[in-house]
Order: sequence, then structure tokens, then C-alpha cells
Amino acid sequence: SAVISQKPSRDICQRGTSLTIQCQVDSQVTMMFWYRQQPGQSLTLIATANQGSEATYESGFVIDKFPISRPNLTFSTLTVSNMSPEDSSIYLCSVRQGANTGELFFGEGSRLTVL
Amino acid sequence: AQSVTQPDIHITVSEGASLELRCNYSYGATPYLFWYVQSPGQGLQLLLKYFSGDTLVQGIKGFEAEFKRSQSSFNLRKPSVHWSDAAEYFCAVYTGGFKTIFGAGTRLFVKA
Repeated sequence: SAVISQKPSRDICQRGTSLTIQCQVDSQVTMMFWYRQQPGQSLTLIATANQGSEATYESGFVIDKFPISRPNLTFSTLTVSNMSPEDSSIYLCSVRQGANTGELFFGEGSRLTVL
Repeated sequence: AQSVTQPDIHITVSEGASLELRCNYSYGATPYLFWYVQSPGQGLQLLLKYFSGDTLVQGIKGFEAEFKRSQSSFNLRKPSVHWSDAAEYFCAVYTGGFKTIFGAGTRLFVKA
């Protein structure tokens, strides 16, 4: 199973600023996913990030707000831009390994609070 | 459209009592089914999964789940709950492609 490290684990941010979350995996993976978990809610997929191509965003999420980088097979970043209090959430990095069975491995998440 | 329903937002059980968390899915064929657990301040950890074969699957931490095709259900069970089981539990469905659909989650409280 993959081991995923996310940084920062938590942060308090001011309205209007941007924050970049890093996700490091201990093995090479093709597909990486970024999820948002708003307070008391389930997980919502923001985008799928494949190395060497543009990220694919889900409905309701745009690249200008959530730019993603995927420079290699073990690393990705998600930036939350021009933050507002509504962006206060846990952001989770996830990867899929092996056969196409849908099994996901998650980082511990980055808890952002926007004041 | 595919969906996952966890009817119980939260459940409280006494330590040592049995537990069943409900999950129903909507999908035309047999999907891949998962249960994940999220402890406070943590990411999600896979408890167990069902792909095919035996409809009763065993997972980590003493959990099991039973797939019932006729009821489109995949309920999670544990015969004796421990205080450390207090967490949020998510049922999830993978139907191919890139997306996994998560249920809304059930928060488990364990009382002494």
C-alpha cells in the first residue's frame, strides 16, 4: 500500500490569500486525486491529476481557483487561491495503485481554516 | 446515476455491543464496494473491500461486511465494539473510470 504525506497538516489563512498543499507518495503512481471534505460532509472530488497532462476538474471546480501541479509520478500540489471562509475544509490527497479496482489510499489531509 | 446512501448520520453504541452500519448503493451492475474509516484528524483508511466472490468479506480491526445483491446493500458489522472504533465511516462505490462515489458517512460514538 502507498504511504502518502501531506503538508501542511493544518493552517489558518487570511481571506484573499493562497495556500499550496503538497502531496508526496512513497512510490510511483499514475493517478492522483484531490478531494475536499467540508465540515461534517463527505468527500467531494476536486480533480484528477495524471503526470504529464493537465488535471481534470470535476463540475464546480475550476483551474483558476484550484491549480494543480503534477511534475512527476510521486508528487503533486494543490493550490487554493484567493481563499474565502467557504474554502475552510480538509483537503485530501489520494492515489490509486495496481489494478483498476478503485482502491484508494489517502494522505492524512490538510485542514485549512480561512478567517 | 450512481449513488451511495448511508441512512444513519450518527450511531451510538455501548462498548462491547455489536455494530451494524448500513450502506445502500445504486448501480446497474455489481460495483466494487469499500468501507473506509476516518479517525479524528486523520485521512481515510481502507477497512475492507468487495470485488467478487464470497459475499461476506473480512477486514481489518475485526470488521466484516456482507454484500447483498438483492438489496443493493453492503452493511458493515462488528460483533464487539471497542472505544477506539469511534470514528467516521464511509461506504464507497467504484464503478469504473476515475471516480469513486462516497456516502455521506456515519459517525460512530462509543459509550462506556
